[in-house]
Amino acid sequence: DGGITQSPKYLFRKEGQNVTLSCEQNLNHDAMYWYRQDPGQGLRLIYYSQIVNDFQKGDIAEGYSVSREKKESFPLTVTSAQKNPTAFYLCASSIVGASGSTDTQYFGPGTRLTVL
Amino acid sequence: DAKTTQPPSMDCAEGRAANLPCNHSTISGNEYVYWYRQIHSQGPQYIIHGLKNNETNEMASLIITEDRKSSTLILPHATLRDTAVYYCIVLKQAGTALIFGKGTTLSVSS
Repeated sequence: DGGITQSPKYLFRKEGQNVTLSCEQNLNHDAMYWYRQDPGQGLRLIYYSQIVNDFQKGDIAEGYSVSREKKESFPLTVTSAQKNPTAFYLCASSIVGASGSTDTQYFGPGTRLTVL
Repeated sequence: DAKTTQPPSMDCAEGRAANLPCNHSTISGNEYVYWYRQIHSQGPQYIIHGLKNNETNEMASLIITEDRKSSTLILPHATLRDTAVYYCIVLKQAGTALIFGKGTTLSVSS
């Protein structure tokens, strides 16, 4: 079954702790993305990666870190520096065209993080 | 990327066609129109996209005006499962991030 998996579905953390959200895809997509969604709002880009061992900051990267050691995996770490981490986190992936353009993004089911 | 404008909410009776409008008056020639939907607490689901021509797939049809300043997503026979927030997004061919606005909340009722 091809697709994007995110785990866990729900995550609770104490204030001041770092936490890592998992994102795995078996679609052989080159590009992967992390978005954050707050209640009643659209998605905002945190980080994205078009190729292994390379990634770029999105609009709201402060307090987050990522790694891209493997094509199929793009974990997101929410650090204690993120002031308001409670949100719904979504991972997506897409192919990258020959000219570097990106194609349709497909999303995982999301992880809901709550800071206690 | 061009900005889009959508009505905040719409209602539709089950079995009828749902027509969701989107204005993108500042769209550039190389920008695509994408539609996604999000059912509560799930990841967004890709529906359809187009550049100039109308497009149809198993989920929906996309009608883009000749001047490309607006488009309409058509769900031909809406069901209760189509109740969701629908997002219209304009994306450059070389764009790397989707910019989601607040979308249109479609409520399908029996």
